[in-house]
Amino acid sequence: SQELEQSPQSLIVQEGKNLTINCTSSKTLYGLYWYKQKYGEGLIFLMMLQKGGEEKSHEKITAKLDEKKQQSSLHITASQPSHAGIYLCGADVFGAGNMLTFGGGTRLMVKP
Amino acid sequence: DTEVTQTPKHLVMGMTNKKSLKCEQHMGHRAMYWYKQKAKKPPELMFVYSYEKLSINESVPSRFSPECPNSSLLNLHLHALQPEDSALYLCASSQGQGVYGELFFGEGSRLTVL
Repeated sequence: SQELEQSPQSLIVQEGKNLTINCTSSKTLYGLYWYKQKYGEGLIFLMMLQKGGEEKSHEKITAKLDEKKQQSSLHITASQPSHAGIYLCGADVFGAGNMLTFGGGTRLMVKP
Repeated sequence: DTEVTQTPKHLVMGMTNKKSLKCEQHMGHRAMYWYKQKAKKPPELMFVYSYEKLSINESVPSRFSPECPNSSLLNLHLHALQPEDSALYLCASSQGQGVYGELFFGEGSRLTVL
């Protein structure tokens, strides 16, 4: 089965600092999704990447999928307290659509 | 309307009870999913419905019984659950099972089994 490793597991940054979260797969990624989750709540879709080398941005968040399609990174520029939460990467397991397996998550805290 | 609505938000039940979780979407999506999330763990896929037919069952115990009465509704019937089944149950939907695109999640139903 496909495994996703996220690093770091937790992160505390000062407001205004940049940060990067990584997601590494044991197999080729057919579709890589990034979500944000507040404790006990649903998942908020951030971005989806499919093609090797693809990069997408939304507001201050940028996600990339490397050329070999086995690693993705999520970069937040000038972090704000509103960025705090759990970031999850999810990958398509069967290469056939949206059936995702998730990484362990990265807990982000932003200190004002 | 880009929402997936789940009810109830919280549910407490005994091990002998029968209850149901409900999920609804009106985005015209033809694939719907149930995920289970234990505390401090990532969500795990339980079931996938595609065009109202069960297409994936990830070896879930029979005390969980999914049902898709129509393309907008997804139920999860619960019977004779165990305390270790306490978790956040998340429903999701997408355009289609084999179509890459956004997977919309609901806010979840938090289940406690006593």
